[in-house]
Amino acid sequence: SQTIHQWPATLVQPVGSPLSLECTVEGTSNPNLYWYRQAAGRGLQLLFYSVGIGQISSEVPQNLSASRPQDRQFILSSKKLLLSDSGFYLCAWSPHPRDRGTYEQYFGPGTRLTVT
Amino acid sequence: DAKTTQPPSMDCAEGRAANLPCNHSTISGNEYVYWYRQIHSQGPQYIIHGLKNNETNEMASLIITEDRKSSTLILPHATLRDTAVYYCIVRGYTGGFKTIFGAGTRLFVKA
Repeated sequence: SQTIHQWPATLVQPVGSPLSLECTVEGTSNPNLYWYRQAAGRGLQLLFYSVGIGQISSEVPQNLSASRPQDRQFILSSKKLLLSDSGFYLCAWSPHPRDRGTYEQYFGPGTRLTVT
Repeated sequence: DAKTTQPPSMDCAEGRAANLPCNHSTISGNEYVYWYRQIHSQGPQYIIHGLKNNETNEMASLIITEDRKSSTLILPHATLRDTAVYYCIVRGYTGGFKTIFGAGTRLFVKA
């Protein structure tokens, strides 16, 4: 069966510090990968998605970036965090649509980031 | 992708069926209806999806109207652990791989 891991689970970082959040997926190959952010009491905002190694699409202009160095690894980074970067960061995967033709997504446990 | 409309909140008694409605009047022929839920402080959980036939799995049933303009997610015997925000999403291939989550319905299951 497929599993998705995210770490760390919680993180407190000062403003201006760098960020690196990692997500890995097991039990599948060639997944689509996604990064979402959820501010407190708000909905999910899609930040990035990737359909393959090195292929990243950005949905929202911001000081965050994403990379996909391996098929099942997705990394969210920032060089300098802002207070507004605080939130609940969620990684998700979905089977490639050519495999099943549908787009159900499976989410990781999330990373709660507090920028102080 | 088509827009969906859901009530902001609903209550349900424990042990009773929870019926969560969703309107998607602009749905197009190749778009699926997906349901997810998010329990507090956790990542969203995929529940079920369908195209035009009713679907059932171990978690829930999905009833889609014949004209596909609305659907209902049914939790047959709601428990306190089903208290969550439920998201109804409609999407197909056009628009790429994005899945847009709206505000959803906050379901409160009460003892």
